[in-house]
Amino acid sequence: ETGVTQTPRHLVMGMTNKKSLKCEQHLGHNAMYWYKQSAKKPLELMFVYNFKEQTENNSVPSRFSPECPNSSHLFLHLHTLQPEDSALYLCASSQEEGGTTANVLTFGAGSRLTVL
Amino acid sequence: EDKVVQSPLSLVVHEGDTVTLNCSYEVTNFRSLLWYKQEKKAPTFLFMLTSSGIEKKSGRLSSILDKKELFSILNITATQTGDSAIYLCAVEAPGYALNFGKGTSLLVTP
Repeated sequence: ETGVTQTPRHLVMGMTNKKSLKCEQHLGHNAMYWYKQSAKKPLELMFVYNFKEQTENNSVPSRFSPECPNSSHLFLHLHTLQPEDSALYLCASSQEEGGTTANVLTFGAGSRLTVL
Repeated sequence: EDKVVQSPLSLVVHEGDTVTLNCSYEVTNFRSLLWYKQEKKAPTFLFMLTSSGIEKKSGRLSSILDKKELFSILNITATQTGDSAIYLCAVEAPGYALNFGKGTSLLVTP
């Protein structure tokens, strides 16, 4: 157990469904991240939240919508996804110091998403 | 564009072998390089390297950074089946989240 909990661990959805991934961290960190991990590709950064404010959005399609209601919780809302969006979605947190991005991320176990 | 390249992409060894995993990078304003181990769950942190030539060691694992030649290696001695995992290298530049390589998939056979 890393202190970062993701639910659900597995999700299968159709292209017209709406679902959400949830991430909760119990580490007292102030920055949270969504990464996408696809086979044979590097981890792709999707979104960064520092102090609940979104600071990075790596050209992610609008069918992915993040929400960070507080520094412990992060959601990824999914709607009208495509089969190529099937991947492992990893949440991570870190403690940011002095306005610069902290360097050691603590990851959750991931949510394995399959889009039919 | 910043780039992190790991090699080999996959590797199969026998228990007891020693392996060396490579990570080269091209990053503007490099700050640190990190290694993670990923089994069928969350990537877990192994090492953070910021200075050239200083070896970090944890049990049978060790890592070193060469900031002149822009690469790092991760060594695992006397490998065990529990070392089977994907090993991820990531590089940090100030103001940016980690930039990851594709990973090296290591399989240690009995």
